[in-house]
This record gives sequence, C-alpha cells and structure tokens, in this order.
Amino acid sequence: AQTVTQSQPEMSVQEAETVTLSCTYDTSESDYYLFWYKQPPSRQMILVIRQEAYKQQNATENRFSVNFQKAAKSFSLKISDSQLGDAAMYFCAYRNTGNQFYFGTGTSLTVIP
Amino acid sequence: EAGVAQSPRYKIIEKRQSVAFWCNPISGHATLYWYQQILGQGPKLLIQFQNNGVVDDSQLPKDRFSAERLKGVDSTLKIQPAKLEDSAVYLCASRRRLLGEETQYFGPGTRLLVL
Repeated sequence: AQTVTQSQPEMSVQEAETVTLSCTYDTSESDYYLFWYKQPPSRQMILVIRQEAYKQQNATENRFSVNFQKAAKSFSLKISDSQLGDAAMYFCAYRNTGNQFYFGTGTSLTVIP
Repeated sequence: EAGVAQSPRYKIIEKRQSVAFWCNPISGHATLYWYQQILGQGPKLLIQFQNNGVVDDSQLPKDRFSAERLKGVDSTLKIQPAKLEDSAVYLCASRRRLLGEETQYFGPGTRLLVL
C-alpha cells in the first residue's frame, strides 16, 4: 500500500523568506505522480505543483519548486519569497498507476509579516 | 470553465439519520473521486468512478456508505445511518482522462456535522 508522510505538522516563515516543506512516500511502483496541494482555511483545495516520477528534472512553478529524490522517496516543496497569501495547509499527494490518490496529513504554514 | 460543484455546503444531522451529498464534475471529466477529510487530517479516498463504473471503493464503509454515478456525470454519496465519527468534510474531485492530464480538480466540499 502506498503511504505518504509529512513529518512537519506546522511550519512558519518570515514574509519574503524561503521555506521547505518535507514529504516522503512509500511505494513499490516505478511510474507514479507526486503533487503538492494548498488548502487555505475554509477554502478549496488547489494544485500547487506536480512531478512525474519518470522525469529527473525537478518541477518549478514560479516561486514554488520541488526537490524530488526518487531513490530516497522524498518530495519536498520549496516556497521562495514567501507571501502572506501562501499561508495555508499544504498536502503532499501520490497518484499510483491505478489513478488513486493518497494524501499526507498536511503541514500548516504560517507566514509572519 | 466551470469548476467542480458540490451541494450542500454544510449539513448538520443527528446520529442515525441519513444524508446525501451531490457532486457535479467539470464537463468532460471522466474520473470522479469522493474523499473524506476529517479535521486535522489529509483527504482519504472513499471511492473512484471512471464514467459510471466503480474503479476503487476499497476504503468505502459499505455497511453505511453508498455512492452512484448514473449516466457518468453527476454523483451522489449517501450515508445511512450516520455515526458521530462521520463528521468531516466530504470532497469531490474530477479528472479528465487524457494522456498527460494528471491533475484532479476539487470542489469546495460539504462540511458534515453529526450530533
């Protein structure tokens, strides 16, 4: 069974600084997708960034980038130049070849002005 | 493009009552998911549909939960009878079945409180 672990229940960052959120996963598959989702308080979950396991190059979306270490089964999210609007719950997710998604328990990010 | 729609947004019921949730996915999205998100936890997949067929319902408590997706578009999730531990946000998500389109899009969720 696939499991996703986020070991940081809470993180904080100063506005304009950089923060890294950690995620590890367990799988025996070689072909899969990884995602980071953002869920603001009482608001809809939205996709931040995704990574295909077969791609060695780390995905980047503006201020968001990932560090994908396939052998270590690690998938961390780096947020650069943090903004107040980045404050939210962040979930790491894994999608298997059967298109089922598995989520971690989330990391609550606070951005300090 | 319109997003995933869900209703109701909030529901309060007493234990042992029944409740139903509705989801309308993004037009053209063949895959539909129902998740349960208990406070402080990540979403847990309950059931996955591909068109009107069930792909995975291994984590659906079938003694009380049921779901259907007639005609392969809208879907309903029912709980009968509800228990206190069913209090959660129920999220619906959809995904287009296209090579390279791997993203799922979430609805706003239905927040259920069972008293």
